[in-house]
Amino acid sequence: EDQVTQSPEALRLQEGESSSLNCSYTVSGLRGLFWYRQDPGKGPEFLFTLYSAGEEKEKERLKATLTKKESFLHITAPKPEDSATYLCAVQANQGAQKLVFGQGTRLTINP
Amino acid sequence: NAGVMQNPRHLVRRRGQEARLRCSPMKGHSHVYWYRQLPEEGLKFMVYLQKENIIDESGMPKERFSAEFPKEGPSILRIQQVVRGDSAAYFCASSPGGEQFFGPGTRLTVL
Repeated sequence: EDQVTQSPEALRLQEGESSSLNCSYTVSGLRGLFWYRQDPGKGPEFLFTLYSAGEEKEKERLKATLTKKESFLHITAPKPEDSATYLCAVQANQGAQKLVFGQGTRLTINP
Repeated sequence: NAGVMQNPRHLVRRRGQEARLRCSPMKGHSHVYWYRQLPEEGLKFMVYLQKENIIDESGMPKERFSAEFPKEGPSILRIQQVVRGDSAAYFCASSPGGEQFFGPGTRLTVL
């Protein structure tokens, strides 16, 4: 069964304090790994797709990386507006295109 | 290009009533997915549809739940005879065939 585990569950940082969020996964053939951001009361907002080990993608203060077993979302010099829950999901090669989500990491950036 | 639209945004039903949730995908997207987010839980896949076809309903409860995506009009997630355990946020996502883009969700409360 495909599975995604995110850590930590919650993370508090000071503004400007860089850190990383982890997403460990087991999947029967990876089609893609996805990162989303979710603000309270809203739907997930797409951030990145990673397809193969070694791939990296960047957007503003965020950088996502992928290995064969896990993905990291690095946040550099975060600002309070980066506070949100960050969700990781995998899509398997076989079968339909459903996403299997982790529980998310709730990130709080204090000014 | 408008994003994924869902209505209503909030829906209150009494036990035993029916709930109908609507989703209009982004223009040009022919793939629609429904996910459920229970309080304090992660997003769980329910069903994947293309126009007039259910492709994967492996996440749908066996009873009371049904979904459709007709040739014309929005996708509908229908819950018959709602129970308190159906209270959750229901998210629709659409895709052109790769990344999935989520709507704002419908928050269902069952009294």
